[in-house]
Amino acid sequence: GESVGLHLPTLSVQEGDNSIINCAYSNSASDYFIWYKQESGKGPQFIIDIRSNMDKRQGQRVTVLLNKTVKHLSLQIAATQPGDSAVYFCAEKPGGYNKLIFGAGTRLAVHP
Amino acid sequence: EAQVTQNPRYLITVTGKKLTVTCSQNMNHEYMSWYRQDPGLGLRQIYYSMNVEVTDKGDVPEGYKVSRKEKRNFPLILESPSPNQTSLYFCASSLTRTAAGTEAFFGQGTRLTVV
Repeated sequence: GESVGLHLPTLSVQEGDNSIINCAYSNSASDYFIWYKQESGKGPQFIIDIRSNMDKRQGQRVTVLLNKTVKHLSLQIAATQPGDSAVYFCAEKPGGYNKLIFGAGTRLAVHP
Repeated sequence: EAQVTQNPRYLITVTGKKLTVTCSQNMNHEYMSWYRQDPGLGLRQIYYSMNVEVTDKGDVPEGYKVSRKEKRNFPLILESPSPNQTSLYFCASSLTRTAAGTEAFFGQGTRLTVV
């Protein structure tokens, strides 16, 4: 596998529990946010996104919460499964710019 | 199948020997970009392209070149690689370049080691 996750914070959860992964973003003018999942040896994969005019969005087993007051983003995964084990990145898009700024990532480890 | 394809997946080279990492997407996306990923730093953008013949620097462009002669291809060129360019590289493409934001599709990555 790749070594990009060596120095990342790790969240360890039991299979079946809910997981909450947090992210502090940097730019108050960011208008779009994305969560990505990266499994070992693979590229990042889109999970869910949210625009700045929303504070919550739900997908299948995942929910993203946005708190613009404190520039905080979270990803909630319900009933965490072993296949959810990966590194999770948040990304923000500063308003008026066509680029994404990525966080350093959090490793999620799911134990049986 | 919609995908972004990078080649090679793994490459070991020597300092100063020019190399090219290819990237191709089959989704007719306008926007393409290159990132490098290093431990603890997340992904940092190297270059991006809004459309054919339109490219611009990202956050860490030094030592890299790109070209966008066709919509589907966006090669990354290292004219004179150095050991500090040892990294994991990702190409990404997305449909839209509007201010509304977009979802990026990533390739599988290229692990480059410069000795």
